[in-house]
Amino acid sequence: GQQVMQIPQYQHVQEGEDFTTYCNSSTTLSNIQWYKQRPGGHPVFLIQLVKSGEVKKQKRLTFQFGEAKKNSSLHITATQTTDVGTYFCAGIRVDSSYKLIFGSGTRLLVRP
Amino acid sequence: NAGVTQTPKFRVLKTGQSMTLLCAQDMNHEYMYWYRQDPGMGLRLIHYSVGEGTTAKGEVPDGYNVSRLKKQNFLLGLESAAPSQTSVYFCASSPGLVGYEQYFGPGTRLTVT
Repeated sequence: GQQVMQIPQYQHVQEGEDFTTYCNSSTTLSNIQWYKQRPGGHPVFLIQLVKSGEVKKQKRLTFQFGEAKKNSSLHITATQTTDVGTYFCAGIRVDSSYKLIFGSGTRLLVRP
Repeated sequence: NAGVTQTPKFRVLKTGQSMTLLCAQDMNHEYMYWYRQDPGMGLRLIHYSVGEGTTAKGEVPDGYNVSRLKKQNFLLGLESAAPSQTSVYFCASSPGLVGYEQYFGPGTRLTVT
């Protein structure tokens, strides 16, 4: 079953509002990646986090990796209509054969 | 540089029919993957390959077979399609296994009636 959970499943925001999606794993992850998939498109890599407690920023996007390396979050400040899409986290379990396990994704809709 | 390409883009099959999905990458990546994407389920790994001539099972391999005869190609076969295999199939490739981003193809939308 799904070993990486993501919440919420959907988020509908007014343009200019902030947005956060959370990713939680039942086991420790060696790293975590975030992907964005536009409607009708394919997943596109955004970023990778490796270190415990790591925080990375890409313009209005802030990514965090938890201290225990079991959870992560993506925060978008002042959403724009171009942010519409589904955001997936994907982690590699430290005890796995190094396969990426994808979360179920959070679909972001932005009202202009 | 086309990246990762997939053929066909769309396909409708009847239950019991067979087909092969083709994935090609021109980035000289060692690792290739086949995922299926269903609503609310994210991406689930079907099979993957760590190099030419190798394949391995992923999370949901039943009903699928794969082959990697050439480094640049990764084929996904359905021997006897079932309605439960209606999905969007994505191929991906990466230069390494741990810590490397995966590059995805545009996807194949398969419907089995």
